[in-house]
Amino acid sequence: KAGVTQTPRYLIKTRGQQVTLSCSPISGHRSVSWYQQTPGQGLQFLFEYFSETQRNKGNFPGRFSGRQFSNSRSEMNVSTLELGDSALYLCASSKRQGVRTEAFFGQGTRLTVV
Amino acid sequence: QQQVKQSPQSLIVQKGGISIINCAYENTAFDYFPWYQQFPGKGPALLIAIRPDVSEKKEGRFTISFNKSAKQFSLHIMDSQPGDSATYFCAASWSNAGNMLTFGGGTRLMVKP
Repeated sequence: KAGVTQTPRYLIKTRGQQVTLSCSPISGHRSVSWYQQTPGQGLQFLFEYFSETQRNKGNFPGRFSGRQFSNSRSEMNVSTLELGDSALYLCASSKRQGVRTEAFFGQGTRLTVV
Repeated sequence: QQQVKQSPQSLIVQKGGISIINCAYENTAFDYFPWYQQFPGKGPALLIAIRPDVSEKKEGRFTISFNKSAKQFSLHIMDSQPGDSATYFCAASWSNAGNMLTFGGGTRLMVKP
């Protein structure tokens, strides 16, 4: 059974540019959540999508957005990149929405903003 | 406030020893408390989880102790092994928040041979 696949694994962008990250969840999983991991702030929730609808959103500026497609694949977009956006972006997939549903994480996309 | 505080930030334990990581939370609505293990270059992986109606849960060498009144929970790793060296995160979630997890700051564990 394939795990959560995130592409690309590494990305270098310039301040002011925008970036799109992709996440393919485990087959049959309908919930996709995104997290930002930094040494200073740890793991912070960005947003969750379930059945193509955003169900929850963390405390991030509007420059961070996402979407989910009918096959449950998800993308997140960051516009007008800032140096502080450099982080590991993790995607987690879950079979359904609801508490106590195990979240399976991908290996992440390492974004560096220069 | 949905915050989870984790301590210590780093921990060094001898092989065969007991590793103990503590977490405290504020939001009494939290009703699911998982622990994740993360190796360098990998995403976090679920290790063990507990509900607040249970005071302890054990899976192999890993045990979660939960104190609802104190709003604290901890992870004990018995007979710690060098292969356990990783970063451990406690987390919390609540029914109305879907799959959103609120993570603690993480503990970097090193088990010395």
